Amino acid sequence: DSGVTQTPKHLITATGQRVTLRCSPRSGDLSVYWYQQSLDQGLQFLIQYYNGEERAKGNILERFSAQQFPDLHSELNLSSLELGDSALYFCASSVGLAGRIQETQYFGPGTRLLVL
Amino acid sequence: GENVEQHPSTLSVQEGDSAVIKCTYSDSASNYFPWYKQELGKRPQLIIDIRSNVGEKKDQRIAVTLNKTAKHFSLHITETQPEDSAVYFCASIINSGGSNYKLTFGKGTLLTVNP
Repeated sequence: DSGVTQTPKHLITATGQRVTLRCSPRSGDLSVYWYQQSLDQGLQFLIQYYNGEERAKGNILERFSAQQFPDLHSELNLSSLELGDSALYFCASSVGLAGRIQETQYFGPGTRLLVL
Repeated sequence: GENVEQHPSTLSVQEGDSAVIKCTYSDSASNYFPWYKQELGKRPQLIIDIRSNVGEKKDQRIAVTLNKTAKHFSLHITETQPEDSAVYFCASIINSGGSNYKLTFGKGTLLTVNP
């Protein structure tokens, strides 16, 4: 167990809908990262938050957004869902010291999203 | 943007043999290279990493080598065991502080260790 928790574990929804995925980082970690893992695209970095602020963006679609709250938990919002959004969504956390090159990331168990 | 190529996509070895997985990256600003192991249905787990100012790093049966000039890095697993069977991902990270952070994963290598 990495100490990172994600809810829900599974989510089934329909095209056009909106869902929210939740992540609680390890105690003391300030950075949260979101990833999408699908069979055709592999593991893709979506976005990173550090201490409540967006720090870096990867291949995140405009239909997706995220935020990190004062208690450091994070939510990933996926809207206008398409079939191709079906994937495993991981969050990870790290201590997130600014400027530190080597930040070990600890992954959560993931949320499996199925869009029908 | 950064491009990370990982080879081979599948690798099958006999127990006790060595396994080598290679990754190449395109952006010379990349300064951190972690390797992750993902067992079926589980989360990725960091197994070893290397910074750009280091050429090689070992941790028991696992080692990583980095050739900055050629822009490639490799994972070496010796004396493979069936429990090493998993998908291995390499990653290339540019992290120079502030908002300058980019992370790119390879496509993964499915390693099968046959007893």
